[in-house]
Amino acid sequence: KAGVTQTPRYLIKTRGQQVTLSCSPISGHRSVSWYQQTPGQGLQFLFEYFSETQRNKGNFPGRFSGRQFSNSRSEMNVSTLELGDSALYLCASSWGTGGGSTEAFFGQGTRLTVV
Amino acid sequence: SQKIEQNSEALNIQEGKTATLTCNYTNYSPAYLQWYRQDPGRGPVFLLLIRENEKEKRKERLKVTFDTTLKQSLFHITASQPADSATYLCALDSNYQLIWGAGTKLIIKP
Repeated sequence: KAGVTQTPRYLIKTRGQQVTLSCSPISGHRSVSWYQQTPGQGLQFLFEYFSETQRNKGNFPGRFSGRQFSNSRSEMNVSTLELGDSALYLCASSWGTGGGSTEAFFGQGTRLTVV
Repeated sequence: SQKIEQNSEALNIQEGKTATLTCNYTNYSPAYLQWYRQDPGRGPVFLLLIRENEKEKRKERLKVTFDTTLKQSLFHITASQPADSATYLCALDSNYQLIWGAGTKLIIKP
């Protein structure tokens, strides 16, 4: 059974550009969450989608947005990139209604570097 | 505001001993608490989930306790091995999201 797939694995962008990251959850999972991870900061929650609806959003500026498609695949977009956006972006999917009641399965992440 | 604290300093343990990691939280009453392992450059991997009405959960060499009065969870690895060296993260549920501690780096020395 395929795990959570994130593409691309690595990305280098210039300040001011925009970027789109993709996440394919495990088949059958309808909940998809996105996190930003920087050294010493731990995982910071970006947003969570369930059946194409955003149920929760973290404390990030409006430059960060996301969506989920009918096949549960999800994308996140960051516009007007800043140096501080350099981080590992992780996607996680889970069974059922998601949240903290079931385990989350993580992808390998996308390492974004903004120069 | 909700806050989760894990020991930010690395924990050095001799192989074969029991490693104990701590997760404390404040301003919060989670229904579930989870522990994950993360290796460098990789996504976290789920280890154990414990519910608020459970005091303890075990899985092979792993044991988790959950004290809702103390607002604390302890994560134990018995008979530790060098392969257990990694960063361990605790996470608590809140409104369809997991709130994460910063993690504790565990180093098992042969």
